Amino acid sequence: DTAVSQTPKYLVTQMGNDKSIKCEQNLGHDTMYWYKQDSKKFLKIMFSYNNKELIINETVPNRFSPKSPDKAHLNLHINSLELGDSAVYFCASSPGGNTIYFGEGSWLTVV
Amino acid sequence: GIQVEQSPPDLILQEGANSTLRCNFSDSVNNLQWFHQNPWGQLINLFYIPSGTKQNGRLSATTVATERYSLLYISSSQTTDSGVYFCAVEPRDSNYQLIWGAGTKLIIKP
Repeated sequence: DTAVSQTPKYLVTQMGNDKSIKCEQNLGHDTMYWYKQDSKKFLKIMFSYNNKELIINETVPNRFSPKSPDKAHLNLHINSLELGDSAVYFCASSPGGNTIYFGEGSWLTVV
Repeated sequence: GIQVEQSPPDLILQEGANSTLRCNFSDSVNNLQWFHQNPWGQLINLFYIPSGTKQNGRLSATTVATERYSLLYISSSQTTDSGVYFCAVEPRDSNYQLIWGAGTKLIIKP
């Protein structure tokens, strides 16, 4: 069983559309994250949730909105997609202050 | 904020060679982790190592927290070791937030 799973793996969409990426972890971890990896491979944290509560909210456009219906899920919704949103988005989880486990990534291409 | 620097940025080796990757950080940290991103983009955690030395097969890591650096050793490299190796640290005053280095891109040639 995949520990951290995110869907879809690949997403190609037009500018201006709204899309969501879903993430689920079956590790029982309290903390979940969304990271963005740009074309230069830099990994930047976007959001972190602990027990469904937002604890890290980095400077990202408010077109990005995370939603955590329960502590096993952290979805990322993106409104009005722009070309610059093209990147790989990684979901991750950790038991808090410990090693972090990543999903396989979601490749988003905005055309 | 804390700075994380990895060296070298790129490394090309023949299969069977050994390598050492370095991660320097500019301030005290709660923890440090090493990750491998394979050529297919998957991120896999290798070590959670705030201090001391750990070994896992052909890989080992050492963190000297007082001197603010960590080393990742890869022995008898295999082509499957290719990819980007990231170091990430959790600053002392953070809330589980990781600060990432830029990575070392490793290519192992057969």
